[in-house]
Amino acid sequence: DGGITQSPKYLFRKEGQNVTLSCEQNLNHDAMYWYRQDPGQGLRLIYYSQIVNDFQKGDIAEGYSVSREKKESFPLTVTSAQKNPTAFYLCASSMGWGNGNQPQHFGDGTRLSIL
Amino acid sequence: QKEVEQNSGPLSVPEGAIASLNCTYSDRGSQSFFWYRQYSGKSPELIMSIYSNGDKEDGRFTAQLNKASQYVSLLIRDSQPSDSATYLCAVRDPNYGGSQGNLIFGKGTKLSVKP
Repeated sequence: DGGITQSPKYLFRKEGQNVTLSCEQNLNHDAMYWYRQDPGQGLRLIYYSQIVNDFQKGDIAEGYSVSREKKESFPLTVTSAQKNPTAFYLCASSMGWGNGNQPQHFGDGTRLSIL
Repeated sequence: QKEVEQNSGPLSVPEGAIASLNCTYSDRGSQSFFWYRQYSGKSPELIMSIYSNGDKEDGRFTAQLNKASQYVSLLIRDSQPSDSATYLCAVRDPNYGGSQGNLIFGKGTKLSVKP
């Protein structure tokens, strides 16, 4: 099945700890994104990547880091510098950047909480 | 940054009625518009996209776009209890995030369909 796989589904972070959220897609999509969703809020963009080995900060990048070493993978690290990490994290991907009509498709998300 | 506005609801309609969800956006240059449905605790799923003025129909769903008024709407005919969810409007901002732009999401409208 083609799709976007996020893992783990639930994650707990201890104070001072970095945690990494996995996002893998087998849709052959060029662009990948990370969003954060808080209760009653819209999606806020953390980072995005148009091609391998390139990524850009979104609106709320502070306290987060990413890498894009492979087209299929776009892991997100929530660092200890992110003081309020409790949220629903969503990974998305879309086809070639050149066509603005391409929608984004989402993985099932990861719920991160502080222990 | 550009804005996408939605009435947060909840919008309550009886089963079988037409549900009308509205979205306004601030950037006249936006060209691509998307509606996502998000069930409680789940990730968003794409239900409609629209790029040209007028109506676009897909089954019980109709998206309507009026670029002059900067307004996009989603009509759900013969509403079912299974349509109860939060509906997110997303607008592509051509000036944000590369040649074709990132999506800006509204906070969503919660729809409740009563049996």
